[in-house]
Amino acid sequence: ETGVTQTPRHLVMGMTNKKSLKCEQHLGHNAMYWYKQSAKKPLELMFVYNFKEQTENNSVPSRFSPECPNSSHLFLHLHTLQPEDSALYLCASSQGTREKLFFGSGTQLSVL
Amino acid sequence: AQKITQTQPGMFVQEKEAVTLDCTYDTSDQSYGLFWYKQPSSGEMIFLIYQGSYDEQNATEGRYSLNFQKARKSANLVISASQLGDSAMYFCAMREPYSGGGADGLTFGKGTHLIIQP
Repeated sequence: ETGVTQTPRHLVMGMTNKKSLKCEQHLGHNAMYWYKQSAKKPLELMFVYNFKEQTENNSVPSRFSPECPNSSHLFLHLHTLQPEDSALYLCASSQGTREKLFFGSGTQLSVL
Repeated sequence: AQKITQTQPGMFVQEKEAVTLDCTYDTSDQSYGLFWYKQPSSGEMIFLIYQGSYDEQNATEGRYSLNFQKARKSANLVISASQLGDSAMYFCAMREPYSGGGADGLTFGKGTHLIIQP
């Protein structure tokens, strides 16, 4: 069993759809993160949760809405996305906010 | 301005040769951490090695070592005796001290695509 599990692995959605990405970590970590990886660009930090509290929101558009019901689960709710939002969305967790990150395999999102 | 610069978009290396992947960083803080991650085609980011800014010795993890030159703000990854399975994207990343009391996550470079040839 991998430490950080993301579902679905692939997602195709229209601009008017609403979907959610799910992340679950089995490592007992306290912090969880969403990153966006676009082609030929560095990974972009989107959101950070520490002990279920959101501590970072890097100017992400409101069409992306995170939810962290507990320290093991993290969701990214998507609605009215744009084609430029197509990317690999990576979830990560860490024991503390100063420790190394463990990543999931990501969700490859295509917005049509 | 970029905080992490990886100047090699792609590299081809012969199997069993040593590889050096370049990384320079920009920070005015004295306390920071530097990380290297590997991303195979499967997409998962795999942690390789960590160097703290106050660590006096270069970090090593098996075939991976980090050539840390603080004055030059350089943190190159060295892979000894490369293997076909080393073919992947490699990312350098930095963690700086807190800003605003929260967790900042890691800042990543654009990555280097390493291809090991038989």
